[in-house]
Amino acid sequence: EPEVTQTPSHQVTQMGQEVILRCVPISNHLYFYWYRQILGQKVEFLVSFYNNEISEKSEIFDDQFSVERPDGSNFTLKIRSTKLEDSAMYFCASSPTVGPGLYYEQYFGPGTRLTVT
Amino acid sequence: SQQGEEDPQALSIQEGENATMNCSYKTSINNLQWYRQNSGRGLVHLILIRSNEREKHSGRLRVTLDTSKKSSSLLITASRAADTASYFCATIIQGAQKLVFGQGTRLTINP
Repeated sequence: EPEVTQTPSHQVTQMGQEVILRCVPISNHLYFYWYRQILGQKVEFLVSFYNNEISEKSEIFDDQFSVERPDGSNFTLKIRSTKLEDSAMYFCASSPTVGPGLYYEQYFGPGTRLTVT
Repeated sequence: SQQGEEDPQALSIQEGENATMNCSYKTSINNLQWYRQNSGRGLVHLILIRSNEREKHSGRLRVTLDTSKKSSSLLITASRAADTASYFCATIIQGAQKLVFGQGTRLTINP
């Protein structure tokens, strides 16, 4: 069964450093998402991406964050200058499509645990 | 106010019993989805129920949706130790694409 994959599974970085989290969505999916979950808290939406541009973003997704689909398979989340409060589990998700009255399941990857020291 | 709040926050039952978790939300939704998360792991999609549906079944799972009360329930029948996990409801608000998650219910199945 196709699945979303994410690398690395765990990333440790120092405050102020740039990190890039990588995701490979399911191949025929068109919508891509990033969510994060701070330890012990709820899963929070960061950004959605469709047709090579951001379609929706949350207030968490400030100028320090960016997303890119550099080729036909990868979807990346970059944090330019990490802060301690960026420590969280970051989940990538994809869905086949959306449309008026049509919404599909979002399939999640296993997550990347980011630890900022 | 929170969109998607589950109760109870924690539930502990004996293997073989049924587990019921509830979710309430605030705004009009397009659909509601339930996810499972094993400790420290990813989110596994369980079931999606659309706003025009009232009940849906998948194996041992039964989900109901009451849009007039803005609430949903997830019933797991004949629970197993492997069902031990956190369960989250997540809604898609009309006109949006993002999932809005609740705090989750931590379910423990005792052998």
